[in-house]
Amino acid sequence: DAMVIQNPRYQVTQFGKPVTLSCSQTLNHNVMYWYQQKSSQAPKLLFHYYDKDFNNEADTPDNFQSRRPNTSFCFLDIRSPGLGDAAMYLCATGSGQHDNQPQHFGDGTRLSIL
Amino acid sequence: GDSVTQMEGPVTLSEEAFLTINCTYTATGYPSLFWYVQYPGEGLQLLLKATKADDKGSNKGFEATYRKETTSFHLEKGSVQVSDSAVYFCALSDRAGGSYIPTFGRGTSLIVHP
Repeated sequence: DAMVIQNPRYQVTQFGKPVTLSCSQTLNHNVMYWYQQKSSQAPKLLFHYYDKDFNNEADTPDNFQSRRPNTSFCFLDIRSPGLGDAAMYLCATGSGQHDNQPQHFGDGTRLSIL
Repeated sequence: GDSVTQMEGPVTLSEEAFLTINCTYTATGYPSLFWYVQYPGEGLQLLLKATKADDKGSNKGFEATYRKETTSFHLEKGSVQVSDSAVYFCALSDRAGGSYIPTFGRGTSLIVHP
């Protein structure tokens, strides 16, 4: 089945220690999104790629970076995680062709900071 | 900018009760509207969508009608089940630059008791 896969499902890191979360898709979608979701809140868009075009949200901290080496993979790098970065991180894809196409989400990576 | 407002939760119901979760939106254009559902520990899944005024989206007994005159997209189900317990997100999709960027509501938690 075509899908969006996030690894790992749970990630524990230490305060200030860089961490990378990964996302892969078999949908061949043009757009890949990264969201941060904290408890009882809506997903907050961090950035997205349209093909190789990177689009950063204005309020995304510099601590967060992303890479998309090819259509299928996208990575979220957190350079120096702080306690406030503990959250669920969701990857999503979209065709980007029409507004009537929904996003497809992975199951998320829950990040804990010690 | 675009925004989505959902009723605050949690909504607590007994099995077989009628469900309404209110959603209103503001948008400059004519967006597509979506309801997503998030079960504990998982990503968001598309529940239903509507792409133009007076369209009704439906899936698994849930329905929502795109009301342009009241800028609303309320979610309804005639008879809820315990398995419907989840968080429900209303969203719209509008064009921003070269991509379609979704805007999510804050989510409404539904708890269904046997």
